[in-house]
Amino acid sequence: NAGVTQTPKFQVLKTGQSMTLQCAQDMNHNSMYWYRQDPGMGLRLIYYSASEGTTDKGEVPNGYNVSRLNKREFSLRLESAAPSQTSVYFCATGQGGNQPQHFGDGTRLSIL
Amino acid sequence: AQSVSQHNHHVILSEAASLELGCNYSYGGTVNLFWYVQYPGQHLQLLLKYFSGDPLVKGIKGFEAEFIKSKFSFNLRKPSVQWSDTAEYFCAVISGGSYIPTFGRGTSLIVHP
Repeated sequence: NAGVTQTPKFQVLKTGQSMTLQCAQDMNHNSMYWYRQDPGMGLRLIYYSASEGTTDKGEVPNGYNVSRLNKREFSLRLESAAPSQTSVYFCATGQGGNQPQHFGDGTRLSIL
Repeated sequence: AQSVSQHNHHVILSEAASLELGCNYSYGGTVNLFWYVQYPGQHLQLLLKYFSGDPLVKGIKGFEAEFIKSKFSFNLRKPSVQWSDTAEYFCAVISGGSYIPTFGRGTSLIVHP
């Protein structure tokens, strides 16, 4: 999935540790998004960036921060990881309107 | 705020059975509608989309969906499922000029060979 690249693919953390999930796109899309996916909950939006230089909270932003470094890159940071943040995290890009989103392969994060 | 309901959370079918997954949304204005599929261990990928024109849209792998504006619905169908259709299916709606989709909670489909 060359369009949206997420790193790392897997990570195990201890409670209280911090880490940054990286996302880079070569789609030339303005908007980028971070979701978490939990069983039975579907996709929940954590943060999004409508364009370079802007970021906004989504449905579940608590415990996370983001940085839109440039048009290509949008990172998600967990400052002090908690077991409730164990999830699969997906980065996506899009242009809104009638254009679909394009997703990365996901980061599977476990917090012990 | 827009909301999206997928009524079937888990569906189990045998190969060759017909499939219909329900999706209803709440916002009554202009909408763009999508179905995504997520195969086990993979990312979401687009099955089909509707934004205007013929309300019956065809997507990849034999899937189709019908937009019924009066019912705020966009149901996904496939006449004959295959084992390889085992996956999770998500309906998503983007309202008007927004760039933020609202996703349903997903339907897990298991097809027995």
